[in-house]
Amino acid sequence: SQQGEEDPQALSIQEGENATMNCSYKTSINNLQWYRQNSGRGLVHLILIRSNEREKHSGRLRVTLDTSKKSSSLLITASRAADTASYFCATVGSSGSARQLTFGSGTQLTVLP
Amino acid sequence: DVKVTQSSRYLVKRTGEKVFLECVQDMDHENMFWYRQDPGLGLRLIYFSYDVKMKEKGDIPEGYSVSREKKERFSLILESASTNQTSMYLCASSTTGRYGYTFGSGTRLTVV
Repeated sequence: SQQGEEDPQALSIQEGENATMNCSYKTSINNLQWYRQNSGRGLVHLILIRSNEREKHSGRLRVTLDTSKKSSSLLITASRAADTASYFCATVGSSGSARQLTFGSGTQLTVLP
Repeated sequence: DVKVTQSSRYLVKRTGEKVFLECVQDMDHENMFWYRQDPGLGLRLIYFSYDVKMKEKGDIPEGYSVSREKKERFSLILESASTNQTSMYLCASSTTGRYGYTFGSGTRLTVV
């Protein structure tokens, strides 16, 4: 079953602009993660934010988490053509197994040179 | 560089064939996972394993089985391939306490 839903499904921006993707989820979580997938390839782990954190940074990435709204956002600043990829949020539930990830349907980001 | 290696990038099989998809990781991870990815449906968990010789069903196990005889290797088996199993198959591994997954490059399976 899908836990996360990303919004928008597709996003097209110019190089240098910022890209913001949103994720909503349904059940209580232990942590939320963002992954990137280049076309036809496997996923790459970008960043993890725990349920007791509100914001986290890694390079040009900024993730926020609002557990009251069950939502997260991923901001990519000063985007580059190489950032073109699909981005997925994934959650680890707070009950049961803490090792299973449930993925959303993804946002396709296109950065135009 | 740590790796999850899937044995084939592309595979074409006939309906009714028994298909083996192999996944090997070199990170001594105890957790391994098989997902399939389809347009509009995202990633769906087929099976996972937390230890050698153990397995648990994910969300869509029907038509699949798995084998984990060694810690580093997790095999996905399509007992009798059908056209609705045409998909991208992704293997991943993780270690408990570090929740990020490491994914393989994927196997695009076409069943004709």
